[in-house]
Amino acid sequence: DTAVSQTPKYLVTQMGNDKSIKCEQNLGHDTMYWYKQDSKKFLKIMFSYNNKELIINETVPNRFSPKSPDKAHLNLHINSLELGDSAVYFCASSLYRDYRTDTQYFGPGTRLTVL
Amino acid sequence: QKEVEQNSGPLSVPEGAIASLNCTYSDRGSQSFFWYRQYSGKSPELIMFIYSNGDKEDGRFTAQLNKASQYVSLLIRDSQPSDSATYLCAPRAGGSYIPTFGRGTSLIVHP
Repeated sequence: DTAVSQTPKYLVTQMGNDKSIKCEQNLGHDTMYWYKQDSKKFLKIMFSYNNKELIINETVPNRFSPKSPDKAHLNLHINSLELGDSAVYFCASSLYRDYRTDTQYFGPGTRLTVL
Repeated sequence: QKEVEQNSGPLSVPEGAIASLNCTYSDRGSQSFFWYRQYSGKSPELIMFIYSNGDKEDGRFTAQLNKASQYVSLLIRDSQPSDSATYLCAPRAGGSYIPTFGRGTSLIVHP
């Protein structure tokens, strides 16, 4: 009965390749996020969608392109992968009704290794 | 730049002791504060949130907020080895905002 799921869990690829990570939530939430957690465990927001509309687009190389086909899905496509892209990518979702209690629910993460 | 400062640790406490985790933030617009726990190799999960000055208790966990001092803390009473994890502080402002997490404090509870 998974709330936020991501596929794949592990991704090992060569520099220059293009890859995608998929995320789905069955919580009925309006908002979904992509985070990058680097080797120093710093969790940094990349993108956020609210009801399929992009609302947060942080300073991320344009090789990264999110897509939200519906409010339950948020995918991340990465072109021309570089060594520095190696990290754990987390998807999250939230209900976005009351900012004071707006809890984010995280997926299990996708560990991307670029060789 | 809005900053969230946490001592990276590790903070080591004996089993049964009180663990105190601290967080300071620079954005005075922050209204609500979330504490997430992240076990090694796992995803963050919510411990509790607080948005009023003072203390909020939930089981063995107590969050303390002082907006004037821009300081929020998490106390874990009767610490257990299963509490060993990294604890992330995440302030939240109203309106449109950019989710920001502290770097986290690593807690080790030793038997």
